Amino acid sequence: AQKVTQAQTEISVVEKEDVTLDCVYETRDTTYYLFWYKQPPSGELVFLIRRNSFDEQNEISGRYSWNFQKSTSSFNFTITASQVVDSAVYFCALSEDNDMRFGAGTRLTVKP
Amino acid sequence: GAGVSQSPRYKVAKRGQDVALRCDPISGHVSLFWYQQALGQGPEFLTYFQNEAQLDKSGLPSDRFFAERPEGSVSTLKIQRTQQEDSAVYLCASSLYGQEWVSNQPQHFGDGTRLSIL
Repeated sequence: AQKVTQAQTEISVVEKEDVTLDCVYETRDTTYYLFWYKQPPSGELVFLIRRNSFDEQNEISGRYSWNFQKSTSSFNFTITASQVVDSAVYFCALSEDNDMRFGAGTRLTVKP
Repeated sequence: GAGVSQSPRYKVAKRGQDVALRCDPISGHVSLFWYQQALGQGPEFLTYFQNEAQLDKSGLPSDRFFAERPEGSVSTLKIQRTQQEDSAVYLCASSLYGQEWVSNQPQHFGDGTRLSIL
């Protein structure tokens, strides 16, 4: 069975600090997809990134970057120079077939 | 709007009542998903539709839960004889493609329905 672990329940940083959110997954499949979603207080999950299991290239998008390492089954997410608007719950998810399995989420609070 | 729309936004019901939650997916999206999100947890998969066909209902917690999408667009999640443990946020998501493309697509989520059972 697939499983996603986000060990950090809550993180609090001061604005402009860098912060990394950890995600570790378990799967027996060789083909799978990894996602990160952001859930602001309004409740809607917002898609941030998708990665397939064959593409280990790290990706950078503005202040966001993702580090995918199959050897350690990890897909970590870093926010550089954090801002108050980054405060939200962030979910890592693993998808195989039509079943998307989410981690428990990491609540990030960025203080001014 | 162009996003996934869910109604009602909040629903309070007494234990034992039946409830119906509605989801309007993004127009033209083939795949539709329902999730249950307990407080402080990630969304848990309930069921999946490809057009009007319910291809996976393995996540439905009991036979009190029933979902339909009769015309392949709007979907309704019905919970019969509600229990307190049914209290949660119910999220609907849709994605453009179906079949072999389901797993690699981002899902577009609605704001959810917060269900409270008294």
